[in-house]
Amino acid sequence: AQTVTQSQPEMSVQEAETVTLSCTYDTSESDYYLFWYKQPPSRQMILVIRQEAYKQQNATENRFSVNFQKAAKSFSLKISDSQLGDAAMYFCAYATGANSKLTFGKGITLSVRP
Amino acid sequence: GAVVSQHPSRVICKSGTSVKIECRSLDFQATTMFWYRQFPKQSLMLMATSNEGSKATYEQGVEKDKFLINHASLTLSTLTVTSAHPEDSSFYICSARDGGSPVNSPLHFGNGTRLTVT
Repeated sequence: AQTVTQSQPEMSVQEAETVTLSCTYDTSESDYYLFWYKQPPSRQMILVIRQEAYKQQNATENRFSVNFQKAAKSFSLKISDSQLGDAAMYFCAYATGANSKLTFGKGITLSVRP
Repeated sequence: GAVVSQHPSRVICKSGTSVKIECRSLDFQATTMFWYRQFPKQSLMLMATSNEGSKATYEQGVEKDKFLINHASLTLSTLTVTSAHPEDSSFYICSARDGGSPVNSPLHFGNGTRLTVT
């Protein structure tokens, strides 16, 4: 079975600084998708970024980028120029397809200090 | 963009009663919907996969007679918590797959339902 591990329960970052959230996963599949979701206090799930496993190039979305290490099964999220609105719970997730069922990690609560 | 409407957003019910939660795709046909449960400050746990016109597939440990799922149309899936107990109190979230979008299109999430059983 696939598992997703987020070992850091909480992190804090100074506004305008950079922070990296860690995630590792385990799977025997060769083709899959990895995601980072943001869940603010409203509890709406917001897709931040996704990575197709067959792509070697790391995905980027504006201030958000990932470091995808397929051999190490590592998928970290880097948030640059952190903003107060980035404060939320962040979940790393795995799926065998882009719109297949998601397996989520435990999540990490990110706080941003003004 | 695609919108998934989940209703109600909050519900309080008495122990022993049943509660129905609706997940509706407003501008697309959802061939598949997923139901998740989330306890406070914890992860989302998949409960079941709902396919239009067929029986739902439940994850291990989820009681199908307790959590009834019906996906009778391409725009609506419902989750009914039967004979609710306080331990069923949780946040329930649905997500939907757009059957008409490319296969690499992401899922769309509802806003969730907070269920409190007294």
